Amino acid sequence: DTGVSQNPRHKITKRGQNVTFRCDPISEHNRLYWYRQTLGQGPEFLTYFQNEAQLEKSRLLSDRFSAERPKGSFSTLEIQRTEQGDSAMYLCASSSAWESQETQYFGPGTRLLVL
Amino acid sequence: AQKITQTQPGMFVQEKEAVTLDCTYDTSDQSYGLFWYKQPSSGEMIFLIYQGSYDEQNATEGRYSLNFQKARKSANLVISASQLGDSAMYFCAMREAYNNAGNMLTFGGGTRLMVKP
Repeated sequence: DTGVSQNPRHKITKRGQNVTFRCDPISEHNRLYWYRQTLGQGPEFLTYFQNEAQLEKSRLLSDRFSAERPKGSFSTLEIQRTEQGDSAMYLCASSSAWESQETQYFGPGTRLLVL
Repeated sequence: AQKITQTQPGMFVQEKEAVTLDCTYDTSDQSYGLFWYKQPSSGEMIFLIYQGSYDEQNATEGRYSLNFQKARKSANLVISASQLGDSAMYFCAMREAYNNAGNMLTFGGGTRLMVKP
């Protein structure tokens, strides 16, 4: 059973460029989450999918951010017109609604640096 | 108000000794879950232990145990027999009301644990 994977692991981009990150959850997990973590802080929730439906979005998710999970498997997070304030670690997690405590298992993250 | 408070930004512990990492939380829900995660310098969040609000027993997982005091709204992590590999950031997190809008985790600011040989 493989864990959550994320690609790329690191991304350096120039301000104004678009970037896209991918998350592959644990295969039997139907719930998928995106979090953002800035240096020295705990992760903050961005958005949540159950299967292919996006059920919750944080106010942190500005119009420049969009997330998809088209077939209820992998998910992508796109940031358009990146800003220096977008520099952070983007973490993906997955869980199973059928598990009683519904632990979220995290991927290794994508570290974004906007120059 | 902060939902999860971790008051110890950094802590040192001698190898093979026990250490307690503090976590207090704030919620008006009756049903909630509390989690502890470890984040090494590589960045991945590693699940350690879970405590449900209705669980009567304190959770234990190997060298990790959770000192759950519901009335005080505290969920402290105890690591016994510290090892050098325990050096990492530790995050306490809470999941409130179990519904379609509430599956997110709210994290504290973390505690950096450093184990001395």
